[in-house]
Amino acid sequence: GAVVSQHPSWVICKSGTSVKIECRSLDFQATTMFWYRQFPKQSLMLMATSNEGSKATYEQGVEKDKFLINHASLTLSTLTVTSAHPEDSSFYICSAKQLAEYEQYFGPGTRLTVT
Amino acid sequence: KQEVTQIPAALSVPEGENLVLNCSFTDSAIYNLQWFRQDPGKGLTSLLLIQSSQREQTSGRLNASLDKSSGRSTLYIAASQPGDSATYLCAVDSGTYKYIFGTGTRLKVLA
Repeated sequence: GAVVSQHPSWVICKSGTSVKIECRSLDFQATTMFWYRQFPKQSLMLMATSNEGSKATYEQGVEKDKFLINHASLTLSTLTVTSAHPEDSSFYICSAKQLAEYEQYFGPGTRLTVT
Repeated sequence: KQEVTQIPAALSVPEGENLVLNCSFTDSAIYNLQWFRQDPGKGLTSLLLIQSSQREQTSGRLNASLDKSSGRSTLYIAASQPGDSATYLCAVDSGTYKYIFGTGTRLKVLA
């Protein structure tokens, strides 16, 4: 149980275009989902927290107008990178948790390459 | 601001050795600490979760300890195997469910 999937697993897009990444909890209701970013040889950095039905909360330094997060259902959150640039190339990982549970369950990640 | 550091950054050992990975954090007011494994280009696999009231957790050949007062956690791997080669990350949650991740230890176990 407690499986989180991400789609796509990798994506290449051209500079200036937008790309959407999906994060799904397959067998539980994810009241909260988190989006992390990992640059090469660096650790994961939290970008934003989204609660189902509410606006996402962004960490300092993360542009909310560039990284649009939607958490419209208890099993799906999406991250849209708008007007992507090469510096947005990174590994994006989501995690999800149930209400009143400690543990977060992580997705397999999405590798984004912007050319 | 919570900072999490892992030492060593990289480690290469022969198969069969017991080894210890270290994680230190600057703010001892944590809610829980979790150890993860990450294979190259892949997501995270949860290994052990230690709640703040606990001192250690064990799973198979893995044992993680937590000393909140000194801001330290260790991950002990017994009888290492080549399949243990990966990057090991520790992460702390200060009660907001927002994980602060360490810099990771890249482990290579030689056959």
